[in-house]
Amino acid sequence: QKEVEQNSGPLSVPEGAIASLNCTYSDRGSQSFFWYRQYSGKSPELIMSIYSNGDKEDGRFTAQLNKASQYVSLLIRDSQPSDSATYLCAVIRGGGADGLTFGKGTHLIIQP
Amino acid sequence: KAGVTQTPRYLIKTRGQQVTLSCSPISGHRSVSWYQQTPGQGLQFLFEYFSETQRNKGNFPGRFSGRQFSNSRSEMNVSTLELGDSALYLCASSSLAGQPQHFGDGTRLSIL
Repeated sequence: QKEVEQNSGPLSVPEGAIASLNCTYSDRGSQSFFWYRQYSGKSPELIMSIYSNGDKEDGRFTAQLNKASQYVSLLIRDSQPSDSATYLCAVIRGGGADGLTFGKGTHLIIQP
Repeated sequence: KAGVTQTPRYLIKTRGQQVTLSCSPISGHRSVSWYQQTPGQGLQFLFEYFSETQRNKGNFPGRFSGRQFSNSRSEMNVSTLELGDSALYLCASSSLAGQPQHFGDGTRLSIL
């Protein structure tokens, strides 16, 4: 079982709609959860961090964490073509001992 | 506030050579982590340094090593380069373990 799993996509969403990105993780001791956005040829850029169950909102982005079900999601409201990128889910396991463990990423395409 | 700075941006080496990559973290950040990104394996954790000490190491051979200096700048060294070492090497810094990590632009290493 992969430690952090994401659907590779591509996920195609019309402009203005809500994009929903999902991620599951295997280590129940994981404490910290992050979403990064990576444009082609660029380095990952931190979008959201979440540490406790529930929702966390920042502008058009909402991160959701459910530790019992071991999943994290990212919602992007009012999707824009500039949101087209690969979205990486990253997890730090208990104690922050092993750095970030990344999923392979979901390729999101926003259709104008 | 300046971001994470990595040098050089691009490197071309041949098999058997060695290479040293440099990373200057965000001012005030004491934790520096290194990652390797390839199309097939995605982003993989190499190691983390905090206050000049290696705290954690990923599943890479001993040819990959690093160090951190008293000013928190870090270097990564790869010896006896192999074709499979061709990748984007990313450095990320954070204030403390478990806190969000911010990435530099990376060094793209090509092995001929």
